[in-house]
Amino acid sequence: DAGVTQSPTHLIKTRGQQVTLRCSPKSGHDTVSWYQQALGQGPQFIFQYYEEEERQRGNFPDRFSGHQFPNYSSELNVNALLLGDSALYLCASSLRISFTSTDTQYFGPGTRLTVL
Amino acid sequence: QKEVEQDPGPLSVPEGAIVSLNCTYSNSAFQYFMWYRQYSRKGPELLMYTYSSGNKEDGRFTAQVDKSSKYISLFIRDSQPSDSATYLCAIPARAGGTSYGKLTFGQGTILTVHP
Repeated sequence: DAGVTQSPTHLIKTRGQQVTLRCSPKSGHDTVSWYQQALGQGPQFIFQYYEEEERQRGNFPDRFSGHQFPNYSSELNVNALLLGDSALYLCASSLRISFTSTDTQYFGPGTRLTVL
Repeated sequence: QKEVEQDPGPLSVPEGAIVSLNCTYSNSAFQYFMWYRQYSRKGPELLMYTYSSGNKEDGRFTAQVDKSSKYISLFIRDSQPSDSATYLCAIPARAGGTSYGKLTFGQGTILTVHP
């Protein structure tokens, strides 16, 4: 059973460019969340997708956008890259969010983005 | 004030030591508390979670919640070099009053257990 997979593993971009990161959720999962983890910090929630729509969003600018496909895989797009966008981008998948219980989120290995 | 605060360490202990990792949180409405472990160049993996106050034990790991002081702890007994990792406390918080799913993490504590 494949876990959460992310591509690419590493990416180097320059300021002002655009980047697309990809995530395939764990088999059977339908919800995908994206997190940004700066060096020495804990992950910060970017947004979450379920049923191909953005359901929740953290405190990130509109430069960060996403998409979920019918097969539940997801993309994270970042436009007009800044030096401060350099981080590990983590994708987490889970089952449909329940109103009454917490969900176990399974994380992928992340994509290391470096902005020069 | 941050929702979740965690002492970043780093923490270095000899093999066999008891390790104590701690976080504080600000919102008394939080009810679920999680601990994730993150090895170098890997994504976080769920170690344990607890609901409300009290203790929960799983092998060498014990998670403890004190809601009166908004304090959560993870204890590792008989620590092993393989426990060397970053430990993250996390709280699933409601966003927009809809559902859980957004995890708010502490900064993470880097733990090294040396032989």
